[in-house]
Amino acid sequence: SQKIEQNSEALNIQEGKTATLTCNYTNYSPAYLQWYRQDPGRGPVFLLLIRENEKEKRKERLKVTFDTTLKQSLFHITASQPADSATYLCALDRGDYKLSFGAGTTVTVRA
Amino acid sequence: DAMVIQNPRYQVTQFGKPVTLSCSQTLNHNVMYWYQQKSSQAPKLLFHYYDKDFNNEADTPDNFQSRRPNTSFCFLDIRSPGLGDAAMYLCATSRNIAGGPETQYFGPGTRLLVL
Repeated sequence: SQKIEQNSEALNIQEGKTATLTCNYTNYSPAYLQWYRQDPGRGPVFLLLIRENEKEKRKERLKVTFDTTLKQSLFHITASQPADSATYLCALDRGDYKLSFGAGTTVTVRA
Repeated sequence: DAMVIQNPRYQVTQFGKPVTLSCSQTLNHNVMYWYQQKSSQAPKLLFHYYDKDFNNEADTPDNFQSRRPNTSFCFLDIRSPGLGDAAMYLCATSRNIAGGPETQYFGPGTRLLVL
């Protein structure tokens, strides 16, 4: 069956450090992968999209990589700030306008 | 600002009492989705509309129904809520671009409590 796994443990890091989150998947061949941010009690907000033929994508302090051989995406937050504290969800293209989401990794950045 | 709006933000209902959650959008997107999200879990797609075409997920219980009277509005009806239906319900939209990726725009969610 199809499965998406994100870091099972919450991530606690010091301000200024880089947070690295993983998203592993099985039995999918997504044409693209997306990352969303979700704050407590709110809906997810789109951050970045990376296509299967792209190795890396950047947006400000965020960087995403996509390795279709390893079936893995890495999400990096560089120079992290307390305002980056949230849950980060990866989402895989299922085709037919649909996404499958992971359960997310909660990041806490300490000042 | 263009956005996705969900009302109410919090809904309390009684076991077995029908409840309707509302979603509206000013983005003029042709696809609308309903997700159920329980604590620390992934959002789970219940169904989606592509324009007026309704698409149910295979594992969505019959207890959940949806209506989309026009492009802007979509409703989630839970006919007989059980305790297990307590969750956050998220509405999302996307603009279908033929052959292109679909970024989804989410509303703030409605937190449903079943007593």
